[in-house]
Amino acid sequence: AQKITQTQPGMFVQEKEAVTLDCTYDTSDPSYGLFWYKQPSSGEMIFLIYQGSYDQQNATEGRYSLNFQKARKSANLVISASQLGDSAMYFCAMRGQYGNKLVFGAGTILRVKS
Amino acid sequence: EAGVVQSPRYKIIEKKQPVAFWCNPISGHNTLYWYLQNLGQGPELLIRYENEEAVDDSQLPKDRFSAERLKGVDSTLKIQPAELGDSAVYLCASSLERTGGNYNEQFFGPGTRLTVL
Repeated sequence: AQKITQTQPGMFVQEKEAVTLDCTYDTSDPSYGLFWYKQPSSGEMIFLIYQGSYDQQNATEGRYSLNFQKARKSANLVISASQLGDSAMYFCAMRGQYGNKLVFGAGTILRVKS
Repeated sequence: EAGVVQSPRYKIIEKKQPVAFWCNPISGHNTLYWYLQNLGQGPELLIRYENEEAVDDSQLPKDRFSAERLKGVDSTLKIQPAELGDSAVYLCASSLERTGGNYNEQFFGPGTRLTVL
């Protein structure tokens, strides 16, 4: 079974600064994938970034990067140069080797201040 | 390319009434998911379809919930009768599953927000 833990219920960041959203995971699968989704107040889940457990390099997508520390079982999301439009709920999720479902964490609400 | 379409976006019903949600996945996606998202929590899988076959419905409360995916395209999720605790957002997602690997991105619809009074 997979488990995702997001320990930060809410975060504030000043516009144009970087912010790190924490995510730790637990799984016994040898191979797995880690995802981050953004959910604005409108409700849709927007895919941000993916990290495979065997990927040698940390994933990056524009202003998003994933700080993957396999030994610590952490997959923190780093958002650089925060924008007001980044204010939303952020979910970390994982997918194990033997199933296709995503297991989500409880989420972190991010508020960007001007 | 059109995304995942869900309807209705909002539904308010009284307890013990039936309700149905509809989902049209992205064209060509063979796998469809229904997730339940309670307020302040992450989505939880209710059921997953590969084409028209339900391959994971272990989290679906089968006494009151049912789902179908006729012809492996559109899907309907039904609750009968609805209870107060069913108030939540019901998300539909789809993906094109390929053999091997863990990266098969799931695309989500906007969800249906259900309120049971």
